[in-house]
Amino acid sequence: AQSVAQPEDQVNVAEGNPLTVKCTYSVSGNPYLFWYVQYPNRGLQFLLKYITGDNLVKGSYGFEAEFNKSQTSFHLKKPSALVSDSALYFCAVRVPRDYGGSQGNLIFGKGTKLSVKP
Amino acid sequence: GAVVSQHPSRVICKSGTSVKIECRSLDFQATTMFWYRQFPKQSLMLMATSNEGSKATYEQGVEKDKFLINHASLTLSTLTVTSAHPEDSSFYICSARDRLSYEQYFGPGTRLTVT
Repeated sequence: AQSVAQPEDQVNVAEGNPLTVKCTYSVSGNPYLFWYVQYPNRGLQFLLKYITGDNLVKGSYGFEAEFNKSQTSFHLKKPSALVSDSALYFCAVRVPRDYGGSQGNLIFGKGTKLSVKP
Repeated sequence: GAVVSQHPSRVICKSGTSVKIECRSLDFQATTMFWYRQFPKQSLMLMATSNEGSKATYEQGVEKDKFLINHASLTLSTLTVTSAHPEDSSFYICSARDRLSYEQYFGPGTRLTVT
């Protein structure tokens, strides 16, 4: 079955320190990988995606993610965290059409709450 | 950038009544729209996928007669929660996929509270 795992319910980081939010996936074929951020009572905002090419993807607000095919991981990173980065982060994968993803819908991880303290 | 709107953003209704939620793609055409439900501190659960001009495809366990989805145009999809009950209280998020770029964009969500 296709799935996305975010092993940490919460990540706590001090402002100015680097942060990592982990994501691993189990999907057939070569999936498209996404990171979204959600602020309280808001919809999802797109951060970045990986489709092909360079394994290090740079996105919005200084975030980046590294695709590791051998470890089937797509961890989200930021060199220096801000208090305003505190939010809920979702990793997602889109299953390729030829592997059952006929509708192209996204499969989401359960989310990781990031808390950045001053 | 592409924008998806949802209306209303927040609604409170009495048990037994029906509520309609609109999802609009404002500056692109969406042949496919997705409806998600999110419980507190949980991930998004795909409820159904709607394709313009055809019947929606519901995920397993989602009652199609309770959650009516209409996708009558390339910019509008509606979700109607019929005979709402308190357990239907949730955060509903729609997503629209641009028919040209295939990119998926999310609406801001609708908070439904059934009393």
